[in-house]
Amino acid sequence: RKEVEQDPGPFNVPEGATVAFNCTYSNSASQSFFWYRQDCRKEPKLLMSVYSSGNEDGRFTAQLNRASQYISLLIRDSKLSDSATYLCVVTPGGEAGTALIFGKGTTLSVSS
Amino acid sequence: NAGVTQTPKFQVLKTGQSMTLQCAQDMNHEYMSWYRQDPGMGLRLIHYSVGAGITDQGEVPNGYNVSRSTTEDFPLRLLSAAPSQTSVYFCASRVDRSYGYTFGSGTRLTVV
Repeated sequence: RKEVEQDPGPFNVPEGATVAFNCTYSNSASQSFFWYRQDCRKEPKLLMSVYSSGNEDGRFTAQLNRASQYISLLIRDSKLSDSATYLCVVTPGGEAGTALIFGKGTTLSVSS
Repeated sequence: NAGVTQTPKFQVLKTGQSMTLQCAQDMNHEYMSWYRQDPGMGLRLIHYSVGAGITDQGEVPNGYNVSRSTTEDFPLRLLSAAPSQTSVYFCASRVDRSYGYTFGSGTRLTVV
């Protein structure tokens, strides 16, 4: 089982749609969780951290379910500018927790 | 603050040549990492550091060396370039394991 798994997509949605991405991780000792966004030929940029209680940042909502080892990202009222690849990222526990483990990403395309 | 600065942005090497990819950050972050990104493979960790004088290997360290003589700098050395090292290389830093990484803009390396 891969450490961090995501549905690669692509997800093709119209402007204004609500879209959800899911991610599972294999290491139950994982400590920190993030969603990153990566535009074509650019560096990954931190979108938001993910907390057990769930957290929201404008149109974006992230959820973490530690029992199921599952992370989600919900985007409401999609904009054309949301088109990008979304990376699910996990910090392993213990000594390995100094670096991040990346999923391969989910591609979102928002059309007018 | 400039954030994380990588140089060069583009580089073409011949097989067997050596070179150093530079990475510097001005945020006084202790944690730094090098990743490579290849199509279909996602971001893979090469080497990482938790502070000056401390480095460790990641998932794909073969053919690369690193050093961390100062908090600010974390250069990546390719010892004898091979075509398999053609990739986009990202350097990243963060203040501690609770936070996400800030990435540099990347170095696109081609080995011919």
